[in-house]
Amino acid sequence: GDSVTQMEGPVTLSEEAFLTINCTYTATGYPSLFWYVQYPGEGLQLLLKATKADDKGSNKGFEATYRKETTSFHLEKGSVQVSDSAVYFCALTGYSTLTFGKGTMLLVSP
Amino acid sequence: NAGVTQTPKFQVLKTGQSMTLQCAQDMNHEYMSWYRQDPGMGLRLIHYSVGAGITDQGEVPNGYNVSRSTTEDFPLRLLSAAPSQTSVYFCASSYMAGGRGTDTQYFGPGTRLTVL
Repeated sequence: GDSVTQMEGPVTLSEEAFLTINCTYTATGYPSLFWYVQYPGEGLQLLLKATKADDKGSNKGFEATYRKETTSFHLEKGSVQVSDSAVYFCALTGYSTLTFGKGTMLLVSP
Repeated sequence: NAGVTQTPKFQVLKTGQSMTLQCAQDMNHEYMSWYRQDPGMGLRLIHYSVGAGITDQGEVPNGYNVSRSTTEDFPLRLLSAAPSQTSVYFCASSYMAGGRGTDTQYFGPGTRLTVL
């Protein structure tokens, strides 16, 4: 079945550091790929998505590229802020279900 | 436009009690789903629905029941609560993107359930 593997956290960075959170997937067909973010005490919200190979999703300075050849969708940001501290989930969609990774906590210190 | 709403926000049950978690959306989404979130486990799909009158099981359906009588509402019923059902429950909804299936999921704020 479909699966998503993302790096374990927590990832601890200083403000303005470069961020990479790795995500790889296993799926049949051509899924859409997503990054969701969860701030403390809240539900998940979409950060960015890509629907086909080589698409780049971007939002709020975050980027991820759909790499079919390496089955990856790594999340990057050039300069993180304290307000980016949250849990980040990589996910893929099949026809009627969404499969999530286990989440990576990001902690950014001033 | 309220999006996805869930009630209650918090609930404490005793083992064996039953209850219903409410979920409603006002975006006319065909697809609705329930997840549970546990530490170190990510989100796991409990049940989902692709339209009114249609429901199906997800990864962890045991102990839960759902129905979808309207497009807007998708309640989750705990039949006989157990401590293993202590978790945070999220409801989500989305459009079905034609032949490609579910699109961006919109999540509710969650219900934190404790079973003693």
